[in-house]
Amino acid sequence: LAKTTQPVSMDSYEGQEVNITCSHNNIATNDYITWYQQFPSQGPRFIIQGYKTKVTNEVASLFIPADRKSSTLSLPRVSLSDTAVYYCLVGDMRYGGATNKLIFGTGTLLAVQP
Amino acid sequence: EAGVVQSPRYKIIEKKQPVAFWCNPISGHNTLYWYLQNLGQGPELLIRYENEEAVDDSQLPKDRFSAERLKGVDSTLKIQPAELGDSAVYLCASSDRTGVGADTQYFGPGTRLTVL
Repeated sequence: LAKTTQPVSMDSYEGQEVNITCSHNNIATNDYITWYQQFPSQGPRFIIQGYKTKVTNEVASLFIPADRKSSTLSLPRVSLSDTAVYYCLVGDMRYGGATNKLIFGTGTLLAVQP
Repeated sequence: EAGVVQSPRYKIIEKKQPVAFWCNPISGHNTLYWYLQNLGQGPELLIRYENEEAVDDSQLPKDRFSAERLKGVDSTLKIQPAELGDSAVYLCASSDRTGVGADTQYFGPGTRLTVL
């Protein structure tokens, strides 16, 4: 199974760029990498998803090296409201994929200070 | 668009009692997931439904946990009897697996279960 490892916590200041890295050495060929954000007392919320190289949307970028054994979530110009736990999820997210192998990491608590 | 709805939001029971959680997915989503999340940990998948069929339930403790998704819409997760170690947040998620590209899950707010 593709186990994931993330830093337990990170600190940042408003306006800075934050990069959170997730290691997934045993990632399988059909696995995608998805990042979620979670606030207290809420369910995780989708941020971004990718398979290889770089993906960018309106809130974040996802960098995946060629070997796909890690991924980096990049949050540009964070604000206080970005304080949350960020999870990387590795698994086969295709239709009919083996979701019993979906593995969430333990999460990274990002604390943004003024 | 309404999100995934779960009820109750909080539940406190004594050990050995039964408990049930209800989930209403986003309209039109054919795939439904139940997760368990312990404090300080990431979600752990319990079961996945494709319409009304449970296609992945290998991580569901079947001796005490059961789930159903009648008519391929709402779903219920049951624990009977509950144990102290079952105290956790139970999350429901849904997605629209169309066979194109990769899946995005939408999560509900969860039900926080406390077993005394």
